[in-house]
Amino acid sequence: GAVVSQHPSWVICKSGTSVKIECRSLDFQATTMFWYRQFPKQSLMLMATSNEGSKATYEQGVEKDKFLINHASLTLSTLTVTSAHPEDSSFYICSARPETSGSRVEQFFGPGTRLTVL
Amino acid sequence: QKEVEQDPGPLSVPEGAIVSLNCTYSNSAFQYFMWYRQYSRKGPELLMYTYSSGNKEDGRFTAQVDKSSKYISLFIRDSQPSDSATYLCAIGGNNRLAFGKGNQVVVIP
Repeated sequence: GAVVSQHPSWVICKSGTSVKIECRSLDFQATTMFWYRQFPKQSLMLMATSNEGSKATYEQGVEKDKFLINHASLTLSTLTVTSAHPEDSSFYICSARPETSGSRVEQFFGPGTRLTVL
Repeated sequence: QKEVEQDPGPLSVPEGAIVSLNCTYSNSAFQYFMWYRQYSRKGPELLMYTYSSGNKEDGRFTAQVDKSSKYISLFIRDSQPSDSATYLCAIGGNNRLAFGKGNQVVVIP
């Protein structure tokens, strides 16, 4: 149980284009999903917290107009990197917290999406 | 001061050895403690979850929490080459997690 998928697993795009990454919880409903960014040999950096049906909460320093997040249903959240530039190249990972977690806070992670912007 | 400190130094051990990893944290409001395992180019996988001081065992893995010292540890007994991965500690509370930098562990056959 608690499986999270991401699509695509890797993407290469030209500078200036937009890229959409999907995150799905496959066997549970997730009121809250999280988007992280991870640089090589670095830890996970939280970008934003996404709640179903409401606007995402972005961490300080993350441009909300550049990283558009949509949490349209209890099983799907999308991250769109708009006008991507080479410095946006990174490993993007989503996670989801089951709706039935109660007070438990563990998150279940997707396999990640490697973005390379040329 | 960072919320979670984890010495990111790589760790190489021979197969069968005990692996010992640890983290410290600064915010006592965080009440949940986790260890994640991350293989190269993959998402983190939840390994251990605990919310109280003391030890929790799961097979070859033992998570240890000392809330008074704000110190958590992960021990891997009888390490196997398949344990080679990066291990991230995570401290949780207020609907979010704070992660350590991760330890890359290599178990040499």
